[in-house]
Amino acid sequence: DVVMTQSPLSLPVTLGQPASISCRSSQGLVFSDGNTYLNWFHQRPGQSPRLLIYKVSDRGSGVPDRFSGSGSGTDFTLKISRVEAEDVGVYYCMQGTHWPWTFGQGTKVEIK
Amino acid sequence: EVQLVESGGDLVQPGGSLRLSCAASGFTFSDHPMHWVRQAPGKGLESVSAISGNGVTTYYANSVKGRFTISRDNSKNTLYLQMGSLRVEDMAMYYCATEVVPGTNDHWGQGTLVTVSS
Repeated sequence: DVVMTQSPLSLPVTLGQPASISCRSSQGLVFSDGNTYLNWFHQRPGQSPRLLIYKVSDRGSGVPDRFSGSGSGTDFTLKISRVEAEDVGVYYCMQGTHWPWTFGQGTKVEIK
Repeated sequence: EVQLVESGGDLVQPGGSLRLSCAASGFTFSDHPMHWVRQAPGKGLESVSAISGNGVTTYYANSVKGRFTISRDNSKNTLYLQMGSLRVEDMAMYYCATEVVPGTNDHWGQGTLVTVSS
């Protein structure tokens, strides 16, 4: 199975400041169709996960433009340009290229 | 609006069986693969199983292969997960999720809780 490794696992942030989460895969994520199926999800306490970013850098429906994704090969990054209070929770990267699809361990974002 | 409503979660003894259901609406169900993803209490997310739009192709995590069976009824817009030989480590919130956008789970249900305990 492809191992997804996130860092940091805990991220205290200041409101209005930027934040960044890294995700590394144990093998390349380019599918046979040429797409890289690297996704990011946000999960608030007691809620279901919500899709933020798909195919490395495409924002999901209704996702604010302060969220952006980048990367290639085996190294990927989620950035929040200015953290807002509603951004707290756990962020997961997930690869949808190789079955079984696998998730990172999660990064817990909290306000300082 | 896409809606996914899971049901069937319950308390079951180790070795027991359970069938989960997921009623879908707001999209053309038969056109898209569907997934089951689980989350043990206080833990991360794990893809459990997936099924193609026509139900012909199925995928399973090694941890559930041979014990769980995914299926769908496109006439009823419903996804199923038949779970057998349940273990304590299968205890989790089980989410159904769509794959309308290829390569990702773009919509999720609210989950149904499976508790395995004697």
